[in-house]
Amino acid sequence: AQSVTQLGSHVSVSEGALVLLRCNYSSSVPPYLFWYVQYPNQGLQLLLKYTTGATLVKGINGFEAEFKKSETSFHLTKPSAHMSDAAEYFCAVSDSGGSNYKLTFGKGTLLTVNP
Amino acid sequence: DADVTQTPRNRITKTGKRIMLECSQTKGHDRMYWYRQDPGLGLRLIYYSFDVKDINKGEISDGYSVSRQAQAKFSLSLESAIPNQTALYFCATSDPPGTGAQETQYFGPGTRLLVL
Repeated sequence: AQSVTQLGSHVSVSEGALVLLRCNYSSSVPPYLFWYVQYPNQGLQLLLKYTTGATLVKGINGFEAEFKKSETSFHLTKPSAHMSDAAEYFCAVSDSGGSNYKLTFGKGTLLTVNP
Repeated sequence: DADVTQTPRNRITKTGKRIMLECSQTKGHDRMYWYRQDPGLGLRLIYYSFDVKDINKGEISDGYSVSRQAQAKFSLSLESAIPNQTALYFCATSDPPGTGAQETQYFGPGTRLLVL
């Protein structure tokens, strides 16, 4: 069984500050890892994903995440927060083996950006 | 036009009523999913379908049923709605294995359901 833990249900940063959203996963097989963003009153949009290869992955809007197998982590970062980054962020894991690809989501982290 | 559409976008119903939420997609994907989102709980999988004849229960299927009418359409039904089914419901789609992006799911805008 897979699981995802997002540390901090609410993170608040100042505009221009570093954004760090934490995600730890549990998986018995090599995972595929995802970050999705949900803006108010909208569906989920893929920010970035790790499947294989380079462990530092870059996504849209200046976000990036690093897969660290030894730490079972996939933290999301952005060097400088913008007001438009205010949203809820979800980390998710799926099974890279077989043909299932079902996603298991974390509970989400609400990011607030203060002027 | 959006690739994944959901109707209705908002719905208020009463306890005991039957309700259907619909999802349509123009992405040509074989795989479709229904999730519910509750505050503080993230998204949880209700049902998923890998093709028209392959429908599977997710982690919280009790109280729900689905119908895959065509490759492009996947409906979620609440046979007898109850208040704790008040939630935001999302439909998603993905490619089958071997297409190069099978692991990525694409989400619709959601249906906000209130059961009184």
